[in-house]
Amino acid sequence: KAGVTQTPRYLIKTRGQQVTLSCSPISGHRSVSWYQQTPGQGLQFLFEYFSETQRNKGNFPGRFSGRQFSNSRSEMNVSTLELGDSALYLCASIPGLLGIRGTDTQYFGPGTRLTVL
Amino acid sequence: GIQVEQSPPDLILQEGANSTLRCNFSDSVNNLQWFHQNPWGQLINLFYIPSGTKQNGRLSATTVATERYSLLYISSSQTTDSGVYFCAVETFYNNNDMRFGAGTRLTVKP
Repeated sequence: KAGVTQTPRYLIKTRGQQVTLSCSPISGHRSVSWYQQTPGQGLQFLFEYFSETQRNKGNFPGRFSGRQFSNSRSEMNVSTLELGDSALYLCASIPGLLGIRGTDTQYFGPGTRLTVL
Repeated sequence: GIQVEQSPPDLILQEGANSTLRCNFSDSVNNLQWFHQNPWGQLINLFYIPSGTKQNGRLSATTVATERYSLLYISSSQTTDSGVYFCAVETFYNNNDMRFGAGTRLTVKP
């Protein structure tokens, strides 16, 4: 099976712009989680989607949003970009009927590295 | 919110040595996981271990929930074990937000 894929792998934007990142989970996985990794704040959980519904959410401002499609592919959007949004954005998919984060193994993609100038 | 502290922050070993990484957390948790991020950035989920002990090959983990800590043991370390090890916890409140520690950077020298 193909692994989790994320597109694009690298992205450069300027402050004030918006950006959309895409994550395609492993075939058959219904749960997708998003994470942000920065040198200053480390790894932080953004949100989790299951069957097109947001199931869990981290402590991020409303500029960060996401969605999941019927084929389980997920997108996250960041509006009005700030310099501090420069980060590696990781997504992970989880197998299983319920795809429960924590009880089922998460499989991570390679990440999208976003640079905001 | 819950605090997660990992120690040591950095660890350098010779190949074949054993090591113990520690994760302390400040409140009751319903979930604890260990992750490994290799030098190329790929993150791997190692263990889900809210309590008790688990083993997977040369790696094992123990969580003592009542004392709010978890340990990750690496035996007979190999150069491929290099990278950063993170623990992450979840609590029932706060929308099941997942909090990560700052990580332990492990370097295994040949």
